[in-house]
Order: sequence, then structure tokens, then C-alpha cells
Amino acid sequence: EVQLVESGGALVQPGGSLRLSCATSGFPFSSYTMNWVRQSPEKGLETVSAMTERGGSTYYSDSVKGRFTISRDNSKNTLFLQMNYLRVEDTAMYYCAKGHRTYGYSSWGQGTLVTVSS
Amino acid sequence: DIQMTQSPSSLSASVGDRVTITCRASQSITNSLNWYYQKPGKAPELLIYAASNLQSGVPSRFSGSGSGTDFTLTISSLQAEDFATYYCQQSDSNPPTFGGGTKVEI
Repeated sequence: EVQLVESGGALVQPGGSLRLSCATSGFPFSSYTMNWVRQSPEKGLETVSAMTERGGSTYYSDSVKGRFTISRDNSKNTLFLQMNYLRVEDTAMYYCAKGHRTYGYSSWGQGTLVTVSS
Repeated sequence: DIQMTQSPSSLSASVGDRVTITCRASQSITNSLNWYYQKPGKAPELLIYAASNLQSGVPSRFSGSGSGTDFTLTISSLQAEDFATYYCQQSDSNPPTFGGGTKVEI
């Protein structure tokens, strides 16, 4: 069974940092592009970052470029998102999702909530 | 960025109804269109990829069609478990933008 479990979400002040993790199992992690997708009532669904199988290529949305860093540890089947200089508008549920956009995000985690507020 | 517009934003239907949801792209995306559904408090789930390909495990009452800028998700006979919010996503180019969603209510 494919499983993706996010962790690391929290309440943080503007300008602060968080590191999200996504622990996976049930599929060959190193064979898949992985993504971070966030959802808020204000902005809906947004892919904020993606990384190819071996980390050779990354994508960042304009809204997070220069502040967020995606990484992965294929030996531990885990995806990460380092989030720096957090803003109020980064408040959202953050999901880890499996697969390249061409074939759709075929599996998602349950999400981890990030709240940026003073 | 490619803008994705879904219609309607919400609809009311009954079990057994045929339901159609439309998604329009701001420019041609050939067949690079995915559909998801989401229940409250849950993560989205993939229904259809590349406009018309049913994701493994998804019931055959779901179907997708379209190309270019206009796409359709059809549920041939609505079931109780299908009441949810449906989203389209273009996968033609980055950023892979989502539509605003269509809420299917009883």
C-alpha cells in the first residue's frame, strides 16, 4: 500500500522557518518525481515545488522561489521542504504528492498544516 | 501562467443523475489535463490523467474528454460517495495550475 505521511507543520511567526518532511512507503520512491502542493481557502490548490527522481531538476512557484528549498533522501524514502522567511500568505495545508504532473499526482499524503501568524 | 476556469462552481444533483463538469484553459494545452476529487478534510485524489485516462482503481462511471482548451468530466450515474469537490489541473507547462473547483452537492 502506498503511504505518504507529512510532518513538521506548526504555528510560526512571519519571518520564521519550518522544515516539512514526507515519509513514504509502498512504492519505489527513487523512481518518482515528488511534489509539494498547498491548499488554502484564499488561493486554492497550488504546486509550490517539485523534484525529479534523482534531484536533477527542481521546480518552484514564483511565490516561494528563493525562500523554499525542496530536497529528498532516496535512501530513506523521504521528501523535505525547507521553508524560510515565511509570510502570512504561506498559511495553508501542505500536501506531499507522488508523480510527474503529466500523469497526475497519483497519491497524496494527509497533509500538514502551516500557520504563519504573529 | 495558464489559467484554468471550471464551471459551474457548484451544482446540486441526486443519486443516479448524469453530471458534467467543464474546465477551460486560457490557452491550448492539447490533452494535458488531469481531474481530481476531494472530500472535506481529505487530500485530493486523482481520477483522470491526460484528459481521458482513468486512474487505476477509479470506477468506470467517471470519464473525461476534450482537447485544446475545453475539457469535460462526466459522472454517468452519480453515487452517494461522489458528493465532493472536483478540480481540474493543466499539466502542459509550469506552473501546473488548478481550477477553482466544482462542488457537487446533494
